[in-house]
Amino acid sequence: AQSVTQPDARVTVSEGASLQLRCKYSYSGTPYLFWYVQYPRQGLQLLLKYYSGDPVVQGVNGFEAEFIKSNSSFHLRKASVHWSDSAVYFCAVNPDSNYQLIWGSGTKLIIKP
Amino acid sequence: DPKIIQKPKYLVAVTGSEKILICEQYLGHNAMYWYRQSAKKPLEFMFSYSYQKLMDNQTASSRFQPQSSKKNHLDLQITALKPDDSATYFCASSQDPPYEQYFGPGTRLTVL
Repeated sequence: AQSVTQPDARVTVSEGASLQLRCKYSYSGTPYLFWYVQYPRQGLQLLLKYYSGDPVVQGVNGFEAEFIKSNSSFHLRKASVHWSDSAVYFCAVNPDSNYQLIWGSGTKLIIKP
Repeated sequence: DPKIIQKPKYLVAVTGSEKILICEQYLGHNAMYWYRQSAKKPLEFMFSYSYQKLMDNQTASSRFQPQSSKKNHLDLQITALKPDDSATYFCASSQDPPYEQYFGPGTRLTVL
């Protein structure tokens, strides 16, 4: 069965440090890939998406992600985190242009001052 | 202006009652979705609709019934409410065929 794995339930990073949040999926082809962010008591907001082309995609607020097909991964990165980046981050996959996205369990990002 | 409106923002219900959660989107999308989020499950897909037709249903219980009166509306009727139904319910929408989904602010339901 198709699945998305976010292996880290919580990640703690110092403000100003770099960040990587991991996401791996199980699917033999090239799916549509997404990262969403959820701030406290809010809905999910799309950070970035990958459909095809350049495997490094840029998102909002300095986030980027790299699609590595050989590794079935779509890790999220940011060069320098800010306290306002504290949130839960979800990776999602659409394997076959389905109406149902496959979601990871989320990673809670905690920023230390 | 909010592009996806969910009403009400907060809802308290008693066990056994019935409630309707409202969702309207003004993004011009043809596909709409319902999700549920609780402490037990971070994000749980419930339904998807396209052009007002049901596409996917991952909700085992018939107590949850989506209702689409217009293309940009997808309400969620929940009957015989149980405390386990307490969660935040998110509506989302997308272009059709489905690409990225956009989420509403959610309705937080508490069942006493």
